Amino acid sequence: QQPVQSPQAVILREGEDAVINCSSSKALYSVHWYRQKHGEAPVFLMILLKGGEQKGHDKISASFNEKKQQSSLYLTASQLSYSGTYFCGTEINNAGNMLTFGGGTRLMVKP
Amino acid sequence: EAGVAQSPRYKIIEKRQSVAFWCNPISGHATLYWYQQILGQGPKLLIQFQNNGVVDDSQLPKDRFSAERLKGVDSTLKIQPAKLEDSAVYLCASSLDWGLTSTEAFFGQGTRLTVV
Repeated sequence: QQPVQSPQAVILREGEDAVINCSSSKALYSVHWYRQKHGEAPVFLMILLKGGEQKGHDKISASFNEKKQQSSLYLTASQLSYSGTYFCGTEINNAGNMLTFGGGTRLMVKP
Repeated sequence: EAGVAQSPRYKIIEKRQSVAFWCNPISGHATLYWYQQILGQGPKLLIQFQNNGVVDDSQLPKDRFSAERLKGVDSTLKIQPAKLEDSAVYLCASSLDWGLTSTEAFFGQGTRLTVV
């Protein structure tokens, strides 16, 4: 039931773009995206609900394809502050949601 | 608005000892989660409460782990007896979510447990 993330790690130069993918074997009700910096708690980025929506947040946006049970996080013109580990969390229904996280994608942005 | 409070921040115990973690969620949040995060891995859901009822505890090792949420507010997670593989960060999170819609989860700073 745990979603699968890819890639496991990404190294970028400042200003470059990246895409992080999250896929599930089960139909999804929602996808959450969080970023965690070393030694800190995960911080919420955005939620996408079923309906195939896309959301944006500064230069970070995400899409949700419920038919494919996939979500992608897009990081545009990356900044040093984007470095960290990105986790997707998924819920399979809206009744007694279980928020289950993937294994994470480590992103390092270099100057 | 105060965040999710957890204590202690760090704990070192010997194997076979017992330990307890405490979590105070954000006021008014119905859902409370306990996650175990082993170094280099994603958070693994141990137990989820909605108010003071258990929504899911399928991944909680019930022979040694127990959790309760008193009056639908504070929660404690206990391990007895601890094993070396229990070394991890234990994260508590809460959300407004009443099951009607999905809302963001707010995480506490976590308790780093080392079992030696």
